[in-house]
Amino acid sequence: GENVEQHPSTLSVQEGDSAVIKCTYSDSASNYFPWYKQELGKGPQLIIDIRSNVGEKKDQRIAVTLNKTAKHFSLHITETQPEDSAVYFCAAEVTGGGNKLTFGTGTQLKVEL
Amino acid sequence: ETGVTQSPTHLIKTRGQQVTLRCSSQSGHNTVSWYQQALGQGPQFIFQYYREEENGRGNFPPRFSGLQFPNYSSELNVNALELDDSALYLCASSSKGGNTEAFFGQGTRLTVV
Repeated sequence: GENVEQHPSTLSVQEGDSAVIKCTYSDSASNYFPWYKQELGKGPQLIIDIRSNVGEKKDQRIAVTLNKTAKHFSLHITETQPEDSAVYFCAAEVTGGGNKLTFGTGTQLKVEL
Repeated sequence: ETGVTQSPTHLIKTRGQQVTLRCSSQSGHNTVSWYQQALGQGPQFIFQYYREEENGRGNFPPRFSGLQFPNYSSELNVNALELDDSALYLCASSSKGGNTEAFFGQGTRLTVV
């Protein structure tokens, strides 16, 4: 089955700096890669996703890149703000999997003033 | 807010007991997936329901079972609770077909003592 690895497990940046979180996946049949933000006591919130026919996608301060050959994808947050502090999860879905997501282990992002 | 609601928000049960968790899916969604999230870990896929039928199952024992109703709401039942079942249980709703956004509820925090 699919295996998703995520790094780093913790990330501390200064406000205004950029943050990058990286994930690798094992199953070449995976073709949908969402990113979720989870705040304390809440469920995961979808922040951006990318499909395998696209190499990069951007939404304001957030961007995701995908390298299918290397089987890795990354989340980039620019101009970080304190409210970006949360746990971020990457996930992968196998073609035809119907939203049966395999998640990474999460990255605790702390944005310091 | 995603429109996915779960109840109850918190629950304490004794080892060996049974528990039922509930989820109302987002309007227009016909697929519900359940995930277990242990402390400090990413969500793990339990199973998925589509049009009242189980549509895939993760690596969980048969004492984890579910139902989906005609209005697409869903229940997760866990029998013979074990201490290791203590976790945040998340429900996600989506449209069938894969590669579509899955939206999570706020979760039910289950503690088994």
